[in-house]
Amino acid sequence: AQRVTQPEKLLSVFKGAPVELKCNYSYSGSPELFWYVQYSRQRLQLLLRHISRESIKGFTADLNKGETSFHLKKPFAQEEDSAMYYCALGAGSYQLTFGKGTKLSVIP
Amino acid sequence: DAGVIQSPRHEVTEMGQEVTLRCKPISGHDYLFWYRQTMMRGLELLIYFNNNVPIDDSGMPEDRFSAKMPNASFSTLKIQPSEPRDSAVYFCASSFEEWSRNTIYFGEGSWLTVV
Repeated sequence: AQRVTQPEKLLSVFKGAPVELKCNYSYSGSPELFWYVQYSRQRLQLLLRHISRESIKGFTADLNKGETSFHLKKPFAQEEDSAMYYCALGAGSYQLTFGKGTKLSVIP
Repeated sequence: DAGVIQSPRHEVTEMGQEVTLRCKPISGHDYLFWYRQTMMRGLELLIYFNNNVPIDDSGMPEDRFSAKMPNASFSTLKIQPSEPRDSAVYFCASSFEEWSRNTIYFGEGSWLTVV
C-alpha cells in the first residue's frame, strides 16, 4: 500500500528565509510525486510534479528514491507563499494519495 | 472552460437531514473523484469514477454515504442521514486519461457544517 507522510502540520518562517517542506513516501513500485497548494479558501491546484523537473514560483522539489523523499524547497520565502501544501503520490492507478498537508505561514 | 464546478459552496444543515453535493467535471475528462478534507485527517479519497462507472469506493466512510454519476457531466455525493462528524470540505476533482502526464483539477469545494 502507498503512504505519504508530511511530518510538519505547521511551518512558520520569516520572509526571505529558506523554506523546506518535507515529504516522505512509501511505495514499492515506481512513484509519481506531486506537490499541490491550497491558498486560503481556494481550490487545490498543482504546484509541480517530479516528472517535469520544473521550478514554479521559485519552488523546486527533487525526488530522492534512496531516501523516499520529495521535499519542497524555496530559497527565499514570500508572504504570498503562505498556504496549505500537500504532497501527493500517484502509484499506478488513476488516483492520488495525499499527505495530511503542511500549513506554511510566512511572517512579514 | 470554467473548471470543475461544485454546488453548494456552503451548506449548514441539522443532524439527520439529507445532504446532496453536486459536481460538474471539466468537459472531456473521464475520471471523477470525490475527496473529503478535515483538519484531523487531511485529504481523503472517498470514491472515484471512470467513464461514469464507480471504480473504487473503499474510502466511503459508511452506508450513509453514496455517490452517483448518471452521465459524464454530473455527479452527486449524498449523505443520509447526516451527522456532525460529517462536517468537512468536500472536493470534487476530474482528470483526463493519462493523469500522470496531466493533472487532477479540483473544484472549489463544498463546505458542509452539520449541527
